[in-house]
Amino acid sequence: QKEVEQNSGPLSVPEGAIASLNCTYSDRVSQSFFWYRQYSGKSPELIMSIYSNGDKEDGRFTAQLNKASQYVSLLIRDSQPSDSATYLCASRGRDDKIIFGKGTRLHILP
Amino acid sequence: NAGVTQTPKFQVLKTGQSMTLQCAQDMNHNSMYWYRQDPGMGLRLIYYSASEGTTDKGEVPNGYNVSRLNKREFSLRLESAAPSQTSVYFCASTPTSYNEQFFGPGTRLTVL
Repeated sequence: QKEVEQNSGPLSVPEGAIASLNCTYSDRVSQSFFWYRQYSGKSPELIMSIYSNGDKEDGRFTAQLNKASQYVSLLIRDSQPSDSATYLCASRGRDDKIIFGKGTRLHILP
Repeated sequence: NAGVTQTPKFQVLKTGQSMTLQCAQDMNHNSMYWYRQDPGMGLRLIYYSASEGTTDKGEVPNGYNVSRLNKREFSLRLESAAPSQTSVYFCASTPTSYNEQFFGPGTRLTVL
């Protein structure tokens, strides 16, 4: 069974600090990786996608991928109260299946 | 562009009843997916369709059937609902491989 693992949290981070979210995946042939943010009662919305090893930056968000270690992370700089949400990591394999982790609850402390 | 739409938004069923959850996308996407989300469980893939005319099982397909009616529509059917199927159901679509998913607003289903 292909799996995506995340720490469920909650992860509490002071406002203005860096929040670091981590994810590991079991399917070595996974092709692409995504981070979604989900507010309570809402649909997931895409934050970042990453397809190759290294870092990818978009505003306050940086995604990092290490395929050798099967590890994906998301850094949120200058954390804001509006960043408080559940963050879902997902991987996509060659069979087009997209598998999600259970999510990490992030709480930004004002 | 409405994006991904789902109907109904809410539904209450009795054990043993059947129903079909509808999903449609107007973005000309090839792949469509059905997920269920339970507290603390993240999103679990029920079925997906990589292209019109094909469907495949996901992580938790038991108790469900799907139909990819055409490129736009992907329906999920519960033939005999059980309380364990109480959940929030999300439909999603992607244009091609390697692209991110676009999600519908969800259907909140309660089975009594």
